[in-house]
Amino acid sequence: DVKVTQSSRYLVKRTGEKVFLECVQDMDHENMFWYRQDPGLGLRLIYFSYDVKMKEKGDIPEGYSVSREKKERFSLILESASTNQTSMYLCASMEATGTDTQYFGPGTRLTVL
Amino acid sequence: GQNIDQPTEMTATEGAIVQINCTYQTSGFNGLFWYQQHAGEAPTFLSYNVLDGLEEKGRFSSFLSRSKGYSYLLLKELQMKDSASYLCAVVPGGYQKVTFGTGTKLQVIP
Repeated sequence: DVKVTQSSRYLVKRTGEKVFLECVQDMDHENMFWYRQDPGLGLRLIYFSYDVKMKEKGDIPEGYSVSREKKERFSLILESASTNQTSMYLCASMEATGTDTQYFGPGTRLTVL
Repeated sequence: GQNIDQPTEMTATEGAIVQINCTYQTSGFNGLFWYQQHAGEAPTFLSYNVLDGLEEKGRFSSFLSRSKGYSYLLLKELQMKDSASYLCAVVPGGYQKVTFGTGTKLQVIP
């Protein structure tokens, strides 16, 4: 079974702090994704990566950056956290093509005070 | 741009059948996913349709009409554990960037 893990289930940070969210997958998948999920807005793509050191902006990249130094690990960085970044963050991985299913991690509920 | 519409909420009775609809307008189309997401948990894969027609998988079936930009998820013999959100997701022209609908929250009542 594919396993996608995220570093924290719950995280509380203060405005202006730098926040790192880590995601690790164990199935050698090419593609990895970061989404945020908010009530009434659904899953929105922040960034995705289709290979090591490669990244592309999703629909809402502002205020975020990402890092993929190793194939199995994809990090989401909030350079200076703001209250409007309070959300559920979901990481996913997928094999080579978009017609494969995405496997999601358990999510990190981030609260920015 | 991409636009996916699903009802926000539905309620159905245990043992009954429910149909959750999804309409989409996307630039290009390479398939449609349905995911199930229980409260506080990650989405999990239910089905994938790329050709027109009905795909049946146990109590769950998914239908696609590419010409109408329409899909539905059919859940039969509803059980209480089917209470969850159901997400429709479309693979548009660019293969990696799947676009998700806002989800339909299904409540199954006794």
